[in-house]
Amino acid sequence: AQKITQTQPGMFVQEKEAVTLDCTYDTSDPSYGLFWYKQPSSGEMIFLIYQGSYDQQNATEGRYSLNFQKARKSANLVISASQLGDSAMYFCAMTYGQNFVFGPGTRLSVLP
Amino acid sequence: ETGVTQTPRHLVMGMTNKKSLKCEQHLGHNAMYWYKQSAKKPLELMFVYNFKEQTENNSVPSRFSPECPNSSHLFLHLHTLQPEDSALYLCASSQGLAGITDTQYFGPGTRLTVL
Repeated sequence: AQKITQTQPGMFVQEKEAVTLDCTYDTSDPSYGLFWYKQPSSGEMIFLIYQGSYDQQNATEGRYSLNFQKARKSANLVISASQLGDSAMYFCAMTYGQNFVFGPGTRLSVLP
Repeated sequence: ETGVTQTPRHLVMGMTNKKSLKCEQHLGHNAMYWYKQSAKKPLELMFVYNFKEQTENNSVPSRFSPECPNSSHLFLHLHTLQPEDSALYLCASSQGLAGITDTQYFGPGTRLTVL
């Protein structure tokens, strides 16, 4: 079955530094999409960035970039210049066919 | 209103009560979803609707009853719930259902407590 693994339950980063959140996925489907979402304590799931399985270049959105390594089946999220407001849960997700699966999440804490 | 809205934001109910959660999307999307998020558990997909038709029911107990009167509105009717049903219920929508680029956009959630 398709699966998403996020091996870091919790991460700490100093304000203004960069941080990488790990995500590995498992699928035999050649067509899939990879997503990252941020969930602050308020509960809303906020879409951050998308990477398609056929995309040749890594996706970037402002301070967010996705380090896509297809052969290793990894899709790590890099946040540059961390801000206090980045403290939240981060979820990696994958869509394949008509299915959508989420990873267990990583809690990021940004320290002043 | 923009994006995806959910009401109420918080709900406390007894096991014998009947209540409904409401979701509305203002994005012109065709697919809508209900998810359950319990503490220390991955997000669980409950129901999927595409063009008002239910396409997915992930073995959800019958005490949860979804309703999708049109592509913009989605309801989750609750009755005779159990304490273990206490969770954050998230609604989402996407443009379509079959494409790998179909990003899901979420509402703020309803935090449900069953006493």
